[in-house]
Amino acid sequence: DAGVTQSPTHLIKTRGQQVTLRCSPKSGHDTVSWYQQALGQGPQFIFQYYEEEERQRGNFPDRFSGHQFPNYSSELNVNALLLGDSALYLCASSRDGYGYTFGSGTRLTVV
Amino acid sequence: GENVEQHPSTLSVQEGDSAVIKCTYSDSASNYFPWYKQELGKRPQLIIDIRSNVGEKKDQRIAVTLNKTAKHFSLHITETQPEDSAVYFCAASPYNTNAGKSTFGDGTTLTVKP
Repeated sequence: DAGVTQSPTHLIKTRGQQVTLRCSPKSGHDTVSWYQQALGQGPQFIFQYYEEEERQRGNFPDRFSGHQFPNYSSELNVNALLLGDSALYLCASSRDGYGYTFGSGTRLTVV
Repeated sequence: GENVEQHPSTLSVQEGDSAVIKCTYSDSASNYFPWYKQELGKRPQLIIDIRSNVGEKKDQRIAVTLNKTAKHFSLHITETQPEDSAVYFCAASPYNTNAGKSTFGDGTTLTVKP
């Protein structure tokens, strides 16, 4: 049973560029949340998707947007990248909103 | 919004000793409290969770206690082993459909010395 898969694993982008990160939830899961984890800190909630709609959003600017597809997979888009956007981006999925399973993350470096 | 404080930030114990990590939260609407273990360079993994309708939950060497009145919950690891060394995060979530919006603590780096 595949867990949560994220792609790519690593990414280097230049300031001002745009990036798209992808997530496939664990089989049977329908809810996807995205988190940003800076080095040495706990994950910070970006937003949550359920039934292809953004249901909850954390304190992140509109440069961060997302999408959920009918097959429950999800994308995270970040526009106008800043140096401060460099972090590990984690996707987590759940079936009923509890007991989230995390993916291995995408390490984004903005130069 | 919710605020979660976690203590201590680092914890070093001898193999076989117990380890306790404590968290406090601010939002009385929170009712789901998961704990995650994150090894270096790896994903956070759920190790135990508790909902507000119970005060304690145990799974082998790991236990979590919850005091809703005081708004704090704790992770207890007994008979620690070197492979328990990792960063541990607590989190708090409000009920029902918002459960995905977990607010995390800043983590505790646990080192178990052989």
